[in-house]
Amino acid sequence: KAGVTQTPRYLIKTRGQQVTLSCSPISGHRSVSWYQQTPGQGLQFLFEYFSETQRNKGNFPGRFSGRQFSNSRSEMNVSTLELGDSALYLCASRPRLAGGMNTGELFFGEGSRLTVL
Amino acid sequence: DQQVKQNSPSLSVQEGRISILNCDYTNSMFDYFLWYKKYPAEGPTFLISISSIKDKNEDGRFTVFLNKSAKHLSLHIVPSQPGDSAVYFCAASLPFNSGYALNFGKGTSLLVTP
Repeated sequence: KAGVTQTPRYLIKTRGQQVTLSCSPISGHRSVSWYQQTPGQGLQFLFEYFSETQRNKGNFPGRFSGRQFSNSRSEMNVSTLELGDSALYLCASRPRLAGGMNTGELFFGEGSRLTVL
Repeated sequence: DQQVKQNSPSLSVQEGRISILNCDYTNSMFDYFLWYKKYPAEGPTFLISISSIKDKNEDGRFTVFLNKSAKHLSLHIVPSQPGDSAVYFCAASLPFNSGYALNFGKGTSLLVTP
């Protein structure tokens, strides 16, 4: 079974630009969430999507947005990039057990490393 | 506001010995706790979890202990192996309802020396 796939793996942008990152969850996983990892702050929750609906959002400015498509693939967008947005952006998907309960484990992709110059 | 704290940024242990990684949390509403391992240039990998209704969960060389009264959990690795060298993240979640998010600590870098 293929894991969570994120593209691109690495990218360099300049301040003021915008960026779109893509995530394909594990087949059958309908919940997709995004996290930002920086050396100073660790992993911080950005948002979670389920069935194309954003269900939860972390404490990030409105420049950070996302969406989920009907095939569960997700994208996140950061507009008006700032130097502080340089980070590893991790996507994770979560399986659903029989009976509808979600498990607690997240399965992470390898991340998209964004550098803002 | 960091609700999950890993106060030791790094830990060095000899091969074969026990590694103990600690984690404290502040939100008493957390009801599910997880440990993840992360190698450089890879995403975090789930290691072991524990529900708040338990105080211990074991999986092979890995055991997680939960002390709810102290809002403290720990991960024990016995025996430690050089391949265990990685960054370990503690995470906690609120009860599953309409949304789900993990609160992560900042990680502890474990080095297991031969």
